[in-house]
Amino acid sequence: GAVVSQHPSRVICKSGTSVKIECRSLDFQATTMFWYRQFPKQSLMLMATSNEGSKATYEQGVEKDKFLINHASLTLSTLTVTSAHPEDSSFYICSASRLVNTEAFFGQGTRLTVV
Amino acid sequence: EDKVVQSPLSLVVHEGDTVTLNCSYEVTNFRSLLWYKQEKKAPTFLFMLTSSGIEKKSGRLSSILDKKELFSILNITATQTGDSAIYLCAGLSNSGYALNFGKGTSLLVTP
Repeated sequence: GAVVSQHPSRVICKSGTSVKIECRSLDFQATTMFWYRQFPKQSLMLMATSNEGSKATYEQGVEKDKFLINHASLTLSTLTVTSAHPEDSSFYICSASRLVNTEAFFGQGTRLTVV
Repeated sequence: EDKVVQSPLSLVVHEGDTVTLNCSYEVTNFRSLLWYKQEKKAPTFLFMLTSSGIEKKSGRLSSILDKKELFSILNITATQTGDSAIYLCAGLSNSGYALNFGKGTSLLVTP
């Protein structure tokens, strides 16, 4: 159990367009999901915390209007990178936890390349 | 400010060696420390440690937490090339779900 599916695994888009990334918990309900960004050879940087049915909480320095997060159900959260630019190219990873203070399970990640 | 520091940042060993990876933490209202293994894609969960002094084991991997000294170690015995990866530790506080990650230890096991 505890499978988190992230889609797509890889996407290339043109500068100025928007890209949506989905994160699904397949066999459990996740009241909270997290979105991370990872640059090459660096650790995971938390972007935002997404709670089902409420607005996401963004980390300092993360643009809310650029990285739109929606957590419509207990099994699905989406991250939309709006008006993407080459500097948004990165590896984006989501994670989900069943309950408070339990381990987080990660999706496979999405490699975004903006050209 | 919470921080998690891992050492060494990188390590190269031969197959069969035993390695110890270190993780020290300063996490407000600390709850647990977690270890993950990251190969080419997203991290996979290894251990979650909440109590001091209780070793957790999974095959050749084991880990223990010292809440007095605020650190944890991850041991890998009889290393194999498939153990090559980045090992991440992360602190979890009682006040939130989000994980505070260290920078990771990049382990390379050579044949």
